[in-house]
Amino acid sequence: GESVGLHLPTLSVQEGDNSIINCAYSNSASDYFIWYKQESGKGPQFIIDIRSNMDKRQGQRVTVLLNKTVKHLSLQIAATQPGDSAVYFCAENEGDSWGKLQFGAGTQVVVTP
Amino acid sequence: GAVVSQHPSWVICKSGTSVKIECRSLDFQATTMFWYRQFPKQSLMLMATSNEGSKATYEQGVEKDKFLINHASLTLSTLTVTSAHPEDSSFYICSARGGAANYGYTFGSGTRLTVV
Repeated sequence: GESVGLHLPTLSVQEGDNSIINCAYSNSASDYFIWYKQESGKGPQFIIDIRSNMDKRQGQRVTVLLNKTVKHLSLQIAATQPGDSAVYFCAENEGDSWGKLQFGAGTQVVVTP
Repeated sequence: GAVVSQHPSWVICKSGTSVKIECRSLDFQATTMFWYRQFPKQSLMLMATSNEGSKATYEQGVEKDKFLINHASLTLSTLTVTSAHPEDSSFYICSARGGAANYGYTFGSGTRLTVV
């Protein structure tokens, strides 16, 4: 993922609009990616995942796009709701035997009425 | 299914004391557990990987003598912060990975450690 230790960028989106959250990853050997949602004071909550042999995957109101050429991942949230306000992280499995997950820097999503 | 219980959810301790955090997989056997640390408004940073019955593997820059990890069973891993200092104050999160294909990474709810 992107450099850790940086303060979170913020995406402000109006309720009902679509949100797009981006993530750049660094390891071309990474073969599995996950998007997580984290609310304040809680652990990460799984949203959607995608393997490197796919470029798109859809869930309920969410879509993940993977562009391996430029090592870019995005999460699209349709019809954003107030409950979607949280910090969103992408995480990559770098393909090692342990299955370690490394997290990107994260994006704070703020949904305004 | 796939629930990970982390305890305590918060703890306040004095400088110089040690604190133990527990991570339990409740309904699956976790062959591998991961420990993360998260400072306010920052990302999760992987500290170490633990496998049942073997020594933990620490990420570069993480002091293994300060952050003791024990993975004594397939359902329990513990992180002990020894001789805690205020700079150790952070949000600690565990993650467990089971052997079944449909169990990916399950995260605990985190432990807020404050060292005074």
